[in-house]
Amino acid sequence: AQRVTQPEKLLSVFKGAPVELKCNYSYSGSPELFWYVQYSRQRLQLLLRHISRESIKGFTADLNKGETSFHLKKPFAQEEDSAMYYCALRSSAGNMLTFGGGTRLMVKP
Amino acid sequence: DVKVTQSSRYLVKRTGEKVFLECVQDMDHENMFWYRQDPGLGLRLIYFSYDVKMKEKGDIPEGYSVSREKKERFSLILESASTNQTSMYLCASSPTGRSGNTIYFGEGSWLTVV
Repeated sequence: AQRVTQPEKLLSVFKGAPVELKCNYSYSGSPELFWYVQYSRQRLQLLLRHISRESIKGFTADLNKGETSFHLKKPFAQEEDSAMYYCALRSSAGNMLTFGGGTRLMVKP
Repeated sequence: DVKVTQSSRYLVKRTGEKVFLECVQDMDHENMFWYRQDPGLGLRLIYFSYDVKMKEKGDIPEGYSVSREKKERFSLILESASTNQTSMYLCASSPTGRSGNTIYFGEGSWLTVV
């Protein structure tokens, strides 16, 4: 069975500080990993996916298969980054996403 | 631009009522999903459908059923609503295939069962 764990429910940092949102997964095959973000009063939207190896809004995430992790990082947090962040895994079997419990990021001025 | 529309944003229903949540997507996606979103539990898959009239149970199907009579429409049905079904319900859709395919979400339907 596949599982996604986000150990922190809430992460609070000051503006300009580095931020790392942790995500660990368990899956026996080759997963696709994603980060989704939900800003206040907006719909859930894709932030980035590991296969693209892209940086979006200054965020990056590297898939570490040895540690089964996909942590989301940003060197300098901005107040507009405050949101709910979900890590998600898609198995090789199909199109379903399995989500972690989410981490609320609060960036204080 | 992909659009997933959930017709009801906020609903209040009584225990025992039958509840319909409707979702429509306009991008001819094969796959459609219903999730519920609860604090600390993230999003949990209730049901999904990969084609018209086809459905598969997700992680928490108990107390729910679904209907997909047309490709663009996926309905979630609570046969007899209970208070523990008070939640935010998210509909999503995606095209078939894997790599790079994105799942698109609707804005959500807040359901309160009293």
